[in-house]
Amino acid sequence: QVQLVESGGGVVQPGTSLRLSCAASGFTFSGYAISWVRQAPGKGLEWVALISYDGTKKYYADSVTGRFSISRDNSKNTLYLQMSLLTTEDTAVYYCARDGYSYGHRGDMDVWGQGTTVTVSS
Amino acid sequence: QSVLTQPPSASGPPGQRVIISCSGSSSNIGRKTVNWYRQLPGTAPKLLIYSNNQRPSGVPDRFSGSKSGTSASLAISELQSEDEADYYCSAWDDSLNGPVFGGGTRVTVL
Repeated sequence: QVQLVESGGGVVQPGTSLRLSCAASGFTFSGYAISWVRQAPGKGLEWVALISYDGTKKYYADSVTGRFSISRDNSKNTLYLQMSLLTTEDTAVYYCARDGYSYGHRGDMDVWGQGTTVTVSS
Repeated sequence: QSVLTQPPSASGPPGQRVIISCSGSSSNIGRKTVNWYRQLPGTAPKLLIYSNNQRPSGVPDRFSGSKSGTSASLAISELQSEDEADYYCSAWDDSLNGPVFGGGTRVTVL
């Protein structure tokens, strides 16, 4: 079935780096844009980054620009989020989510992973 | 502070209708379509409505969406206990170049 599975979360110290992965299955991964969306404890949803289906376009929220980098390997059906200079404000559950519009993007996310937790703490 | 504005809570007895509002601006709802998500406690969000008023396969027709100008709304008819969840609106924002979310509305079935 159509599925996204995140991994790579953990507890890290402020100022360090972490890479999240999102493995896709059950659909043509190379045909869809994918976003990372995070949710801090007890808070709402915050979009983090989006990468186009072919990896040529990347968009970032202001809060992570210059610190986070989104990428994908369509040969491995895998999405990545490289996070650096982490702060306590980055503590959240990180979800990867598929855009509902194939070979484009319009921002509606129709498939979500179960999330991976990132805790930034000294 | 979320870009889209939703009431923090809404409630109603079983069988009633609840409407959740979502207010935005000309850079998002005013020119882009609106989506709604439902998040049950401890689970990932689920797409409930896309393109203002379209339901993905499997979403019951008790859920309906509408949009007018820079505002949108989600209506839940025949409220059921399993509808207790957080509901988020979202739209692409041309100024921010990405999707933006509302702060979420917690629906309680009385």
